[in-house]
Amino acid sequence: NFMLTQPHSVSESPGKTVTISCTRSSGSIASNYVQWYQQRPGSSPTTVIYEDNQRPSGVPDRFSGSIDSSSNSASLTISGLKTEDEADYYCQSYDSSNQVFGGGTKLTVL
Amino acid sequence: QVQLQQSGPGLVKPSQTLSLTCAISGDSVSSNSAAWNWIRQSPSRGLEWLGRTYYRSKWYNDYAVSVKSRITINPDTSKNQFSLQLNSVTPEDTAVYYCARGMVTIVNWGQGTLVTVSS
Repeated sequence: NFMLTQPHSVSESPGKTVTISCTRSSGSIASNYVQWYQQRPGSSPTTVIYEDNQRPSGVPDRFSGSIDSSSNSASLTISGLKTEDEADYYCQSYDSSNQVFGGGTKLTVL
Repeated sequence: QVQLQQSGPGLVKPSQTLSLTCAISGDSVSSNSAAWNWIRQSPSRGLEWLGRTYYRSKWYNDYAVSVKSRITINPDTSKNQFSLQLNSVTPEDTAVYYCARGMVTIVNWGQGTLVTVSS
């Protein structure tokens, strides 16, 4: 099994851009799609990015995803930060028989 | 629109079996394109995938290595639901448990059930 490592927390000001990384410990980040979930306190997670860089309908285009094979990592970028973006964000990927989640990143918009 | 409704006790004694059920509306547990997962979340472990069941001409199950010896996930086609059984629980199994739909992307989540393991 592989692991996905995220920073514990990030903070940025409203209107700015923030990037959250997700590094895969073994195996290529490009070999399996990466998803990103947003979770607000007291709620179930919701998908903000799927299949590396696809946005579900209803997710603003301020949210974007990418992968970087050189660093074996995926990134979630949120531009034009709003206070409502303050939440926990989790990356997720898989192999043939397992789903793996990152440890989560707390985004503070201050 | 797919909805998942969880049910089951919120308190389980150590060494006993944790049992939860997830009722599906808007899809079929026998769908050839979906998978039905159990995921838990705790402050110490974060989000942890436990396992899934899915139908592709026959039934398959995948389980996380961390719980493989203690877990069973079963579909119930007559009630269009699926269940989780986790045996020999300890306080470390205290968590919010979610049922969820998705094979690659987790598309739908249940409302979550806080299960506390305590005597």
